[in-house]
Amino acid sequence: RKEVEQDPGPFNVPEGATVAFNCTYSNSASQSFFWYRQDCRKEPKLLMSVYSSGNEDGRFTAQLNRASQYISLLIRDSKLSDSATYLCVVNGQAGGGADGLTFGKGTHLIIQP
Amino acid sequence: DVKVTQSSRYLVKRTGEKVFLECVQDMDHENMFWYRQDPGLGLRLIYFSYDVKMKEKGDIPEGYSVSREKKERFSLILESASTNQTSMYLCASRGRLDTQYFGPGTRLTVL
Repeated sequence: RKEVEQDPGPFNVPEGATVAFNCTYSNSASQSFFWYRQDCRKEPKLLMSVYSSGNEDGRFTAQLNRASQYISLLIRDSKLSDSATYLCVVNGQAGGGADGLTFGKGTHLIIQP
Repeated sequence: DVKVTQSSRYLVKRTGEKVFLECVQDMDHENMFWYRQDPGLGLRLIYFSYDVKMKEKGDIPEGYSVSREKKERFSLILESASTNQTSMYLCASRGRLDTQYFGPGTRLTVL
């Protein structure tokens, strides 16, 4: 039973392109949602929270679709430095992580010159 | 800026040794966590703590224990290290709005 599911990739995308990936979650009562970025051999770092109304931070847009139970991350005008693994994180999962915060396994993104 | 530090970046131990991993945060957060991260398995929660001297089991507590004597410090203990505990260990503290701040990680190899 997968509570938070992501396509592991890798997504190979040319520099300058737009890329989007989704994350599905199983519990409709989930309360808060996040995208984290993890560079190779480094710790995860918060990229952005995902609000019900959607939110944008520069080239990054996050959206929440409660009806279909997924969140999405869109990256416009991708840069080489966007290459990383993107982790979806959901809070409020019944039966999920012991403290309610559940991490997806991540989507690996490679931006190619 | 929140800072979470871990005592070692790389550690090599032998089977059966007792291993201490230390984590310190400087933001007065109440909640602290220990995860391990393995290829294909993602982040898995080992133990967490909501306050000094309080601890809760995570999803994979077997073979581990923790100690939280001071608010800023959360230690993970492997009582008798085994080869299947070779992993990347990540400490985190939680701030407002469920934001997790991670330390740089300790890559532990058990021979």
